[in-house]
Amino acid sequence: AIQMTQSPSSLSASVGDRVTITCRASQGIRNDLGWYQQKPGKAPKLLIHGASSLQSGVPSRFRGSGSGTDFTLTINSLQPEDFATYYCIQDYDLWTFGQGTKVEIK
Amino acid sequence: QLQLQESGPGLVKPSETLSLTCTISGGSISSSSYYWGWIRQPPGKGLQWIGSIHYSGSTYYNPSLKSRVTISLDTSKNQFSLNLRSVTAADTAVYYCARDIAGTHPFDYWGQGALVTVSS
Repeated sequence: AIQMTQSPSSLSASVGDRVTITCRASQGIRNDLGWYQQKPGKAPKLLIHGASSLQSGVPSRFRGSGSGTDFTLTINSLQPEDFATYYCIQDYDLWTFGQGTKVEIK
Repeated sequence: QLQLQESGPGLVKPSETLSLTCTISGGSISSSSYYWGWIRQPPGKGLQWIGSIHYSGSTYYNPSLKSRVTISLDTSKNQFSLNLRSVTAADTAVYYCARDIAGTHPFDYWGQGALVTVSS
């Protein structure tokens, strides 16, 4: 089974900061990677699919990149509504989530 | 607008079977373009994919849960279901159903989630 290692597990940032979250696959997954945002008590929301394609309605400050085994989610100019937990997911071979990254207010 | 809604008992006894149903509205379960999945999240923890089913009836399970899981679909009711056998307290979680677009989007539409507690 493919393992997804996400880092960091948490980070503190201020409004306006640029934030970077990484996800590493245990084997190559082409660009079959997505990113989710989850707020407390809510279902996850798909932000990025295909490693770098923005889901409809998602602000352009969210950017995904990478292919193969190493992937990055970048949030440019962090907004108050962006404080949440973020997860990566591979759908190359079955489905596997990363462990999550909690983005907190500094 | 596609909507998914989980339903089932909120409390299950240890060693028994957890059964949940996901009802789809605003769309059809009968499309070769989609997989329908179950994902769970223990309190305060991360997301875990449980399994998925395709309209054709093909099923895919998380290897760590495969021996206890069965997912099925009922096209006449536009529903799919999860059975998780021999549950323990470790199976206490919010259970989500979701849609995956084969080959393009991982789970893009989700239900609101159903909390299932395993306790005697």
